[in-house]
Amino acid sequence: EVQVVESGGGLVQPGGSLRLSCAASGFTFATYSMSWVRLAPGKGLEWVSGISANAGSTYYAGSVKGRFTISRDNSKNTLYLQMDSLRVDDTAVYYCAKDKCDNCYGWFDPWGQGTLVTVSS
Amino acid sequence: QSVLTQPPSVSAAPGQKVTISCSGSSSNIGKNYVSWLQQFPGTAPKLVIHDAYKRPSGIPDRFSGSKSGTSATLVITGLQTGDEADYYCGTWDSTLSAYVFGSGTKVTVL
Repeated sequence: EVQVVESGGGLVQPGGSLRLSCAASGFTFATYSMSWVRLAPGKGLEWVSGISANAGSTYYAGSVKGRFTISRDNSKNTLYLQMDSLRVDDTAVYYCAKDKCDNCYGWFDPWGQGTLVTVSS
Repeated sequence: QSVLTQPPSVSAAPGQKVTISCSGSSSNIGKNYVSWLQQFPGTAPKLVIHDAYKRPSGIPDRFSGSKSGTSATLVITGLQTGDEADYYCGTWDSTLSAYVFGSGTKVTVL
């Protein structure tokens, strides 16, 4: 079964840092782009960041550029999102999702169950 | 404000049809494929349409998609109470070099 499972969410103070992980299984992880997408309370889906299969290309939403860093370890079938300088409006459920192919950003399937990040003092 | 424009809500009686529009531009829908996601509260999004009109395995043919120019449409026929959810369109924006989603449409079965 193709599956992705997020972890690492929690409560952090404004200005703090957090690293999310996404463990993938059931497919050849090293041949697909991966993305992070978030859903803030009362808001709609927002794509956060994407990374190509060999990590040679990374993309970010304007709202997180310069604060978040996406990376991956293909030997561990794991995707990461390092979040620094966190702000209250970064509070959201963060989802990991598999791309349709490498560097195509066509559609995402499957999605993980999400991990909640709460930024609050 | 979202790059892709969707109506906030649509509604219809059981068995009827709803149509959800997604309006974009030449840098996103105009040159890239559109996908549609279904999301129930507290659960992960689920892909219901990809490449503008293709249904993943397991998605009933009551769900259909189309694209024309810089707009896309999701149609749900034979509406069921279990279809009540939020629906999002999404595509790559070649100018922004970012994936963009619509603001979401809440489907209500009357």
